[in-house]
Order: sequence, then structure tokens, then C-alpha cells
Amino acid sequence: ETGVTQTPRHLVMGMTNKKSLKCEQHLGHNAMYWYKQSAKKPLELMFVYNFKEQTENNSVPSRFSPECPNSSHLFLHLHTLQPEDSALYLCASRPEGSGANVLTFGAGSRLTVL
Amino acid sequence: QKEVEQNSGPLSVPEGAIASLNCTYSDRGSQSFFWYRQYSGKSPELIMFIYSNGDKEDGRFTAQLNKASQYVSLLIRDSQPSDSATYLCAANTGFQKLVFGTGTRLLVSP
Repeated sequence: ETGVTQTPRHLVMGMTNKKSLKCEQHLGHNAMYWYKQSAKKPLELMFVYNFKEQTENNSVPSRFSPECPNSSHLFLHLHTLQPEDSALYLCASRPEGSGANVLTFGAGSRLTVL
Repeated sequence: QKEVEQNSGPLSVPEGAIASLNCTYSDRGSQSFFWYRQYSGKSPELIMFIYSNGDKEDGRFTAQLNKASQYVSLLIRDSQPSDSATYLCAANTGFQKLVFGTGTRLLVSP
């Protein structure tokens, strides 16, 4: 484990289901990120949180709803997803003052939408 | 649209050779650049970053940056089969924003 833990590692859901992805970092970092990784596509930035405040929403559909209750935990709530949302969802964290934007990634949650 | 471009590969090199991975970026405002390695089924891990023109060396890895040409490269000397992975190039395009390329798959044959 890299210090960033994601659960579940694999998730299969129907389009009408509601589920959540969880991320927890044990590194004392203050910024947390959600990225989406699809086959043959670049990593896509979804959301950024700094000190629990959302500072970036990269035009993500509202069927993805992030929540950051504290600097160590980040959730991604999923509802009425589409099959094209099937991907690897990566959480990452960054220490405050990291001017070089060095991210530490979790192992990812592999999501399949049927 | 701020983009980072990489050849998807695969780039095949024999063991012991130098692997050269290349990346171009579109945002001239980008100040720092990153190389991450991602093994199949695993998360990306940082290899090194660079923000000054020229070369930066770390062990068998050398990152090269040419801001005038908007070009970043990663050289891996004495390539090993364990270096076989996908290498992601990323550029810092603003405060906290990192834009990634699609990655180049490297295959090092014994």
C-alpha cells in the first residue's frame, strides 16, 4: 500500500444502483484528488479538495458526487451511472506546499457499470 | 484544450539498452513535468519530476526538458525487464492541476 487506501478495489453496479467509493490517506496530506482512468485515454482529473474544500470540479456529471469530510477521507458517491462510466477510479493526495504537485496515488477502484 | 501527447507504443528494447520515452505538451505556461510509472493493474508511482531546462538524473533515469520545444523525455539506461510498464508523462497546467498523457508502454525483453 502506498499510504493511500481505496475501497472497494472492484465494484460492479447496475445503472439504477447507488454506491460509494472511499479513499483514505495516512500521509498527513491536505489535498486529495479523484481521477478517472479509461482504456486508451489519459488520466482525467475529476475533483480536487484542499483542506476539505472543493477547489476543482472538472465539468464532471452530477451523477458523480464527491464528499470530503476531513483532510484524510474522500468519497465518490455514484448514482444512475452509465456503462461508459466503467473505468478505474484513482484517488491521490498531495502535501500542502508541494509546489511540484507530487501526487501519491491509491491502488484504484475498478468500476463496472452494467 | 491543454494536452500532453505521448506515443502509446509499445516501445520494445532489449535488456541493457537505453529506452527513450518522449512527451510533448501544449500549454506554454506549464512549469513542472512529471514521469510516473504504472505497472499493469497497479497505480501510478512517481519516478521523477523536472522544472528546469536541461537534464536531471536519478540513478538509471534521466529526465530532459526543453521548454522552447515544449518537449519532455525520459531516458532509462541499462533497461531491465522489471522496467516493463506504462510510463505516464504529466504537466502542471495550473495550481494543483496535473494533466496526463495517455502513456507509453515499454517492453524490455531479456
